[in-house]
Amino acid sequence: KAGVTQTPRYLIKTRGQQVTLSCSPISGHRSVSWYQQTPGQGLQFLFEYFSETQRNKGNFPGRFSGRQFSNSRSEMNVSTLELGDSALYLCASSWGQGSSYEQYFGPGTRLTVT
Amino acid sequence: DAKTTQPPSMDCAEGRAANLPCNHSTISGNEYVYWYRQIHSQGPQYIIHGLKNNETNEMASLIITEDRKSSTLILPHATLRDTAVYYCIVSATGANSKLTFGKGITLSVRP
Repeated sequence: KAGVTQTPRYLIKTRGQQVTLSCSPISGHRSVSWYQQTPGQGLQFLFEYFSETQRNKGNFPGRFSGRQFSNSRSEMNVSTLELGDSALYLCASSWGQGSSYEQYFGPGTRLTVT
Repeated sequence: DAKTTQPPSMDCAEGRAANLPCNHSTISGNEYVYWYRQIHSQGPQYIIHGLKNNETNEMASLIITEDRKSSTLILPHATLRDTAVYYCIVSATGANSKLTFGKGITLSVRP
């Protein structure tokens, strides 16, 4: 079974631009969660989507948004990029909603904002 | 904030057991203990989880104290590939539950 895939793997953007990251979950998984990882703040939960609806949200500004499609694939968008948005963005898929289901993480997208 | 406390780092010799401690003194009755690990430049990987009984799978064993205020992850025969950051996470079940990662413990396995 193919694992979680994320595209692109690396991205360089300029302050003020916006960016869209993509995540394809494991086949049959209906939940996709997004995380931001930085050296200073560690791994932080952004949001979780299940059945095309955002079910849970972390403490991030509204510039961070996402969506999930009917095939469970998910996209995350960050608008008006700031230098502090430079991070590794990880998505994780699971069969069900919530942390009690084993989360399978992708390799991440490394975003650099200059 | 993470509800767990882990030492920042530890090391062990290859082939020996690695015992990774975790304190979670404020754990609630309905909260599980989860362990994930992150090998450098990869996404985290699920290892094991438990409520109050000891658990074992092909990767590791999880020992939870009777009062549930602490736990130990045991890698029975550590290899160099087990060098990683190990995260101990406490989380309730339910649709709105989420994983809150702390700083984790960096395990270095030496040859």
